[in-house]
Amino acid sequence: AQSVSQHNHHVILSEAASLELGCNYSYGGTVNLFWYVQYPGQHLQLLLKYFSGDPLVKGIKGFEAEFIKSKFSFNLRKPSVQWSDTAEYFCAVILYSSASKIIFGSGTRLSIRP
Amino acid sequence: DVKVTQSSRYLVKRTGEKVFLECVQDMDHENMFWYRQDPGLGLRLIYFSYDVKMKEKGDIPEGYSVSREKKERFSLILESASTNQTSMYLCASSPPGGNTEAFFGQGTRLTVV
Repeated sequence: AQSVSQHNHHVILSEAASLELGCNYSYGGTVNLFWYVQYPGQHLQLLLKYFSGDPLVKGIKGFEAEFIKSKFSFNLRKPSVQWSDTAEYFCAVILYSSASKIIFGSGTRLSIRP
Repeated sequence: DVKVTQSSRYLVKRTGEKVFLECVQDMDHENMFWYRQDPGLGLRLIYFSYDVKMKEKGDIPEGYSVSREKKERFSLILESASTNQTSMYLCASSPPGGNTEAFFGQGTRLTVV
């Protein structure tokens, strides 16, 4: 079955540290890829998305992600985190064959020490 | 702005009750989804609908049913609530084709006692 794996369940960083959150998916066909963020008490919001073209995509708030097709990966990065980045981050995939069914990873909780 | 509205933020129900969770979107989206969110498990798809009166089971449909009589409204039904259905329920909508993101409601925190 298709799946999305986020191996980091809880990441704790200090402000100004660099961030990389891993995301791998298991599907051999064409996919669209997303990172969503959920700030405490708020609804899920889109951080960035990849459909085609340049595999390095930039999103809001200084986040970026790189699609590496050979590794089935879509890792999220930020060069210097802020306390306000404390949130839960979800990687998600839409499979072209699935009538827009969206599959989510288990999420990574990011805690930033001020 | 796309708006997805879930009728309740918090709900407490008794075991065995029939529970309705309502979701309305205002952007004429064809696709609508119900997920449940549990710590460490992420978002798991319960059901989705790609058109009025059309539905497909997601990964965890057991104990749930859905109704989509109008394009803007997608209801999740717990026929006989059980304590293991205590969770955060998220509704989402998206246009067809998979070439855009889904938009989420605020969620309903359901507690079954």
